[in-house]
Amino acid sequence: AQTVTQSQPEMSVQEAETVTLSCTYDTSENNYYLFWYKQPPSRQMILVIRQEAYKQQNATENRFSVNFQKAAKSFSLKISDSQLGDTAMYFCAFNNNDMRFGAGTRLTVKP
Amino acid sequence: NAGVTQTPKFRILKIGQSMTLQCTQDMNHNYMYWYRQDPGMGLKLIYYSVGAGITDKGEVPNGYNVSRSTTEDFPLRLELAAPSQTSVYFCASSPLFKNEQFFGPGTRLTVL
Repeated sequence: AQTVTQSQPEMSVQEAETVTLSCTYDTSENNYYLFWYKQPPSRQMILVIRQEAYKQQNATENRFSVNFQKAAKSFSLKISDSQLGDTAMYFCAFNNNDMRFGAGTRLTVKP
Repeated sequence: NAGVTQTPKFRILKIGQSMTLQCTQDMNHNYMYWYRQDPGMGLKLIYYSVGAGITDKGEVPNGYNVSRSTTEDFPLRLELAAPSQTSVYFCASSPLFKNEQFFGPGTRLTVL
């Protein structure tokens, strides 16, 4: 079974600094998608960034970028120039035939 | 577009009661999903549907039923509510099976 592991239950970062959230996954598949979702206190799940496994180039979306290491089955999220509005739970997700989520990392951005 | 909408937002049930959580999407997506999120945890897939008339079990289907009579609607039914079903329930939809999913705002359900 596919599993997704987020080893950092909580992290904090100073406003304007950079933070990296870790995610590893386990699969024997070759073709899949990876996602990072943000869940603020409003509870809404918001897509932050996505990565197709067949693409070697790391995805970027404004201040958010990923480091996708397919052989290591690692998919970390880097947030640059952190803002107070980035405070939220962040979930890594793996999608092959069904979406599997990690347990989440609670990120707090401090002023 | 309203996207994915869910009703109700909150509900308290007594043990043994039944209820239906409603989910509607207006994006003409073929794929729809139901998840539950327990406190401090990620989401777990309950059921999913690849199109009208087709449903399949996810990771945690016990105690739930679904139907998909139209592309837009994907209701989740709890027949005999149990305290273990206290959770936040999310409905989602996607245009393609492995693609990103669009989530509704969630329903917080408490079973006492």
